[in-house]
Amino acid sequence: DAGITQSPRHKVTETGTPVTLRCHQTENHRYMYWYRQDPGHGLRLIHYSYGVKDTDKGEVSDGYSVSRSKTEDFLLTLESATSSQTSVYFCAISEWGDRSTYNEQFFGPGTRLTVL
Amino acid sequence: GNSVTQMEGPVTLSEEAFLTINCTYTATGYPSLFWYVQYPGEGLQLLLKATKADDKGSNKGFEATYRKETTSFHLEKGSVQVSDSAVYFCALSDRSTGNQFYFGTGTSLTVIP
Repeated sequence: DAGITQSPRHKVTETGTPVTLRCHQTENHRYMYWYRQDPGHGLRLIHYSYGVKDTDKGEVSDGYSVSRSKTEDFLLTLESATSSQTSVYFCAISEWGDRSTYNEQFFGPGTRLTVL
Repeated sequence: GNSVTQMEGPVTLSEEAFLTINCTYTATGYPSLFWYVQYPGEGLQLLLKATKADDKGSNKGFEATYRKETTSFHLEKGSVQVSDSAVYFCALSDRSTGNQFYFGTGTSLTVIP
């Protein structure tokens, strides 16, 4: 199994509070991703990173920010949590393979966030 | 743009039945295609993949063939087991959009003894 951990695994917070989720990898992969998973929507990309300090927005980035100061860590911050951000959050990593093939994404175990 | 459409669930089958989960895609470039499986309370795990047209991915009795002419990557298994109960996601990555992945909405499978 790829070495990906997420912390915390569960969190309950109140509307308006800041929340930071951490993804840590031991694989030295270049690419890291944050997704949210909601019933009926599958996985939706929030932000991704293609290197240290290099990040870009996904399809549902509003209300979220990210930072990557080291290869192994990718942080997702909800500046002011809202109830609509109640979800399960998954981190994933991948590496840029040979241009004739693509390596798969490896997923962390997820963080269940509840915003009351 | 890039997108994946997979059949809606939930799907309920009896043990040893034949399984098909349909997946079609739209891509601007030359995608690689994947099936992921998610067991309750866990993250997604790669089940199989195919990187070019006519490739067949296979793993644990599951198969899927990359069909460029029909833009499809249907998942099949000849005889399902109770332990196959999970949510299955079809996905693509497209070299023209870097290493981003695009996922379908998932299909829940329940296998009853």
